[in-house]
Amino acid sequence: DIVMTQSPDSLAVSLGERATINCKSSQSVLYSSNNKNYLSWYQQKPGQPPKLLIYWASTRESGVPDRFSGSGSGTDFTLTINSLQAEDVAVYYCQQYYSNPPHTFGPGTKVEI
Amino acid sequence: QVTLRESGPALVRPTQTLTLTCTFSGFSLTTSGMCVAWIRQPPGKALEYLARIDWDDDKFYNTSLKTRLTISKDTSKNQVVLTMTNMDPVDTATYYCARIRQQLADYWGQGALVTVSS
Repeated sequence: DIVMTQSPDSLAVSLGERATINCKSSQSVLYSSNNKNYLSWYQQKPGQPPKLLIYWASTRESGVPDRFSGSGSGTDFTLTINSLQAEDVAVYYCQQYYSNPPHTFGPGTKVEI
Repeated sequence: QVTLRESGPALVRPTQTLTLTCTFSGFSLTTSGMCVAWIRQPPGKALEYLARIDWDDDKFYNTSLKTRLTISKDTSKNQVVLTMTNMDPVDTATYYCARIRQQLADYWGQGALVTVSS
């Protein structure tokens, strides 16, 4: 199975500032035939199920604010939250969907104000 | 409108078998490309992908748990059932079902907390 790691475990960001979360996969999740990275990001607020934010490493799901952006390729990825809002307090998970399931998740990064 | 709801026992004794049902609406598991997955989350911990069943009845399991897991579907009832044998206190978690479309979990149930305790 592909192992996902994230850093940092948690971070505190002031309102209006930028949060940066890193995700690394144990093997490349870039599919050469279509040049797509099979990497997604989920947001989980307390007491709620996860919510899909970004897929193909950088495509925002419909309705996701544009302050959320994803980047990276191969094995190294980043989720950036620009101008952090109070409602962005959550745990963020990366997930690979490159191989057949199980589509493993990272350990999560907690974002606090 | 897509909805999913998990149901099952809140408390399970060690060594017992857990049976969870995911009842969904707003999509059909007979539609090409549609899948349903089970994902769990121990209290305060990360998400763990358990199993997935596809529209064509393909099934996939967590590598380390596959001997204990069985996933099945009843398309007439719009339900997916997960069974997990030989439950242990470390299996205490919130169990989620999610719709999988194009490999992505785009809709999730609210989750069912299952506690394993004697």
